[in-house]
Amino acid sequence: QSVLTQPPSVSAAPGQKVTISCSGSSSNIGNNYVSWYQHLPGTAPKLLIYENNRRPSGIPDRISGSKSGTSATLGITGLQTGDEADYYCATWDTSLTAVVFGGGTKLTVL
Amino acid sequence: QVQLVESGGGVARPGRSLRLSCKGSGFPFSAFGLHWVRQAPGKGLEWVAVISDDGSNKYYADSVKGRFTISRDNSKHTLYLQMNSLRSEDTAVYYCAKDMGYGELDSWGQGTLVTVSS
Repeated sequence: QSVLTQPPSVSAAPGQKVTISCSGSSSNIGNNYVSWYQHLPGTAPKLLIYENNRRPSGIPDRISGSKSGTSATLGITGLQTGDEADYYCATWDTSLTAVVFGGGTKLTVL
Repeated sequence: QVQLVESGGGVARPGRSLRLSCKGSGFPFSAFGLHWVRQAPGKGLEWVAVISDDGSNKYYADSVKGRFTISRDNSKHTLYLQMNSLRSEDTAVYYCAKDMGYGELDSWGQGTLVTVSS
């Protein structure tokens, strides 16, 4: 059971928009920055969003992040088949003194 | 260009030990915290441990506390994970990752597979 809760899967058609939610508590999301990662099997995870809503260089602006209270959301517009991957939210948990990951969400582009 | 290369994975019997290494290049190694993150077969990402830039602060996941030790040698640009009393549930791909500053991991290695089996 992960400290951060994500939906196991989401799906949408090419060109459409999808959002992935991440729910936590005041000891993690509520008081710390949230980051998001894309992970394709057999490859290194890639940072998509840091500090809740900032994109590293090279990440397109069709990818966005937001945070409100103890929840965060990743948004991807203009879906492409290449976006099919597992997506994880993460943050520091002050009570656990640990980085915590969500359980991951599998994105399928139909 | 930041590069992190893990090594040291392999097969170990339950109760035995293994030491992983992660060689960093392309960035000021001694200026950043470093993490180990793992992924067991069919499971999600699980954070394992973090060490501060100078090695003075270390934190561990409850699942490995007391069994694993994270360390670093800044002169060799290398991060380590000493894994003792291995269990079958430690079987996973282990990644090292660089911390941006707030527990956000901006660069990752390709991973090294650890299999614990009798």
